Amino acid sequence: GQQLNQSPQSMFIQEGEDVSMNCTSSSIFNTWLWYKQDPGEGPVLLIALYKAGELTSNGRLTAQFGITRKDSFLNISASIPSDVGIYFCAGQLPGAQKLVFGQGTRLTINP
Amino acid sequence: KAGVTQTPRYLIKTRGQQVTLSCSPISGHRSVSWYQQTPGQGLQFLFEYFSETQRNKGNFPGRFSGRQFSNSRSEMNVSTLELGDSALYLCASSFPRVGGEQFFGPGTRLTVL
Repeated sequence: GQQLNQSPQSMFIQEGEDVSMNCTSSSIFNTWLWYKQDPGEGPVLLIALYKAGELTSNGRLTAQFGITRKDSFLNISASIPSDVGIYFCAGQLPGAQKLVFGQGTRLTINP
Repeated sequence: KAGVTQTPRYLIKTRGQQVTLSCSPISGHRSVSWYQQTPGQGLQFLFEYFSETQRNKGNFPGRFSGRQFSNSRSEMNVSTLELGDSALYLCASSFPRVGGEQFFGPGTRLTVL
């Protein structure tokens, strides 16, 4: 089935640093979504991308929909302790509602 | 606007039993999708319902089933539970147009002993 390769799997950074993570696929997606999940909770939608090349920001978060429609990245600037968690990318294939998820990036921040 | 709600939040069952999980979508959302999350397999799509009809199904055995009611609330059922069914079951709701944003509930943590 379709797979998303998300990297890195984990990151250990200092508070205030910028963070970058990305997802790639062999399939073309119509939509890319980025979620954050805290322990014991469901994923929370951070950013949605709908067009190839689209660059969207949400506060300190910036995400881009790759021009080939097969990749996306998420940047977090000036990280703060509440950014700790697991970040997931998810893609939607053309004509489908089903989300295909990456394996997640676990972010740990040293104060 | 209230978010997606799921009940119960936690369940403990034994092998061979069956379980029913419930999901209430965001008001106005008519599409409900279910996902299973495990440490080994990550987030996997189970099925999606719209207008009381299953519109798409993932690669899970027939022991996993679901339904949707006229008020868009959805339930999923797992029969003859196995140890490997222990997981966080997540429900997501969205507007019915394909490609819309999906919003997740807090999940139901199922433990099978």
